Amino acid sequence: GQNIDQPTEMTATEGAIVQINCTYQTSGFNGLFWYQQHAGEAPTFLSYNVLDGLEEKGRFSSFLSRSKGYSYLLLKELQMKDSASYLCAVRDSNYQLIWGAGTKLIIKP
Amino acid sequence: IAGITQAPTSQILAAGRRMTLRCTQDMRHNAMYWYRQDLGLGLRLIHYSNTAGTTGKGEVPDGYSVSRANTDDFPLTLASAVPSQTSVYFCASRLGTSGSNEQFFGPGTRLTVL
Repeated sequence: GQNIDQPTEMTATEGAIVQINCTYQTSGFNGLFWYQQHAGEAPTFLSYNVLDGLEEKGRFSSFLSRSKGYSYLLLKELQMKDSASYLCAVRDSNYQLIWGAGTKLIIKP
Repeated sequence: IAGITQAPTSQILAAGRRMTLRCTQDMRHNAMYWYRQDLGLGLRLIHYSNTAGTTGKGEVPDGYSVSRANTDDFPLTLASAVPSQTSVYFCASRLGTSGSNEQFFGPGTRLTVL
């Protein structure tokens, strides 16, 4: 079966760095996406990885290791507005997205 | 319209009633999707359409139907609603089905079936 695992919840301090991990087992791999979802709102796109390595976008970076079925999202200089759920999704061999349940990130002052 | 819109924003529905959730996008995206999001579960794909005139079944299609008569609109119909269909429904669209093109999401419809 297809499976994507993320921690359910994480807590971090404003100004700090946090790493959110995602492991996956899917039928085929055509890219991995990270989305941010604030409570009561729609998911919004953060990053895309299809090759191994690190993609950096300002305070956010995403890493992929296809051989390990593993990705992480790194958030630096945390701000209160970063409190949200972070969703990991893998595009499978049918070019459909398989979604993890999301990681709720709580930022404390 | 800017982006992707959904209607209604929320709805309370009696079991057994028919309901259509509307989704419209003005980005000329080829692919469109319907997901449901339930607490503790990831987004689950209900139905999708890779281009106008075609549709396909996702992970949880039972009890739902869709149509794609044109590029912009992708309505989702619950023929006879049941309480297990209580959920938040998101419509999404994407320019193409390959490459790095990400999915853009509508604001969601919160549906309660009693």
